[in-house]
Amino acid sequence: GQQVMQIPQYQHVQEGEDFTTYCNSSTTLSNIQWYKQRPGGHPVFLIQLVKSGEVKKQKRLTFQFGEAKKNSSLHITATQTTDVGTYFCAGHYGGATNKLIFGTGTLLAVQP
Amino acid sequence: DSGVTQTPKHLITATGQRVTLRCSPRSGDLSVYWYQQSLDQGLQFLIQYYNGEERAKGNILERFSAQQFPDLHSELNLSSLELGDSALYFCASSVGDTGANVLTFGAGSRLTVL
Repeated sequence: GQQVMQIPQYQHVQEGEDFTTYCNSSTTLSNIQWYKQRPGGHPVFLIQLVKSGEVKKQKRLTFQFGEAKKNSSLHITATQTTDVGTYFCAGHYGGATNKLIFGTGTLLAVQP
Repeated sequence: DSGVTQTPKHLITATGQRVTLRCSPRSGDLSVYWYQQSLDQGLQFLIQYYNGEERAKGNILERFSAQQFPDLHSELNLSSLELGDSALYFCASSVGDTGANVLTFGAGSRLTVL
């Protein structure tokens, strides 16, 4: 079945350092979404990428969708303590499948 | 407040028992999704309903069942509970029924099976 792998599982950074999480699918995706879950909270939508090679920015966050639409990345520049949480990618497999499959998530810890 | 309401917030029960988790989607959303989040399993997709009809199914156990009612609220029924069913169960909703839709999650129902 479809699988979405995410690395790393855990990342600990000093405040001000950059952070990147990577997402890979075994098959082509229709689109990919990113969510953030704060400790003790629920996933909250960040962004959706649809086009091959698409790049989107939200302040210090940069999201990319691979040319083959099988991988994606989230890069945070100059992390802050408010960035703490688990970042999930979620790949949509379209057609008859029509499922949104979440990656395993990357837990980001930021030391002040 | 995301607009998606889940009850109960916490539930403690014993093995072999049956529980029902309830979800009210955000106003205007027709799709409801159920996800299970365990410590070592991430967010596992269970099932999706759209306007009362089952739309997609994930790795939902036969002991689990769900439905969406005419008023669009949904219930997830978990029976013959096992220790391994202890998890956080999230409900999410979206406007449409395709994966292009953004999910809005509720706060979750934490189930503990003793």
